[in-house]
Amino acid sequence: DAGITQSPRHKVTETGTPVTLRCHQTENHRYMYWYRQDPGHGLRLIHYSYGVKDTDKGEVSDGYSVSRSKTEDFLLTLESATSSQTSVYFCAISAGVRSYNEQFFGPGTRLTVL
Amino acid sequence: AQSVTQLGSHVSVSEGALVLLRCNYSSSVPPYLFWYVQYPNQGLQLLLKYTSAATLVKGINGFEAEFKKSETSFHLTKPSAHMSDAAEYFCAVSRTGFQKLVFGTGTRLLVSP
Repeated sequence: DAGITQSPRHKVTETGTPVTLRCHQTENHRYMYWYRQDPGHGLRLIHYSYGVKDTDKGEVSDGYSVSRSKTEDFLLTLESATSSQTSVYFCAISAGVRSYNEQFFGPGTRLTVL
Repeated sequence: AQSVTQLGSHVSVSEGALVLLRCNYSSSVPPYLFWYVQYPNQGLQLLLKYTSAATLVKGINGFEAEFKKSETSFHLTKPSAHMSDAAEYFCAVSRTGFQKLVFGTGTRLLVSP
């Protein structure tokens, strides 16, 4: 299994509070991704990173920010959580940039915003 | 823009029966296609991928998929379902640039004894 951990695994928070989710990898892969999974939508890309301090937006980036100060860590921050951000969040990593390189997924973080 | 459509949010089969999960893609360029499986409360695991080397792709756990350009399809099959195959399956297409994946909405496979 790819060495990907996510923390916390479960979190309940209140509307308006900031939340940071962490993704940590031990594979030294350059590319990292954050997705959210919602029923009826599959997985949707929030943000991705192609190197330290190099990040870009995905298709559902509103309300989220990311940071990557080290190769192994990719942080996802909800500046002011809303109920619509209740979801399961997955981090993924990829060894290469070629379109046929598969992504490896972490175990997920279940976030509930009350 | 690339996209995938998975027909059927739920598929039910009996143990030992054929499994067929449908995926159709839309792409203006030759696509790279993937099938992932998600077991309850776990992350996604790669089953197989199409990279244009061969149209019939074999994956793990006895699954295979055939790329049909004329039908823009990449359906997932398994000759004989096992109880342990019960999971959610996602088809995905790779977008150009930084290997971003676009996922279908998923198909939950239910296997009955």
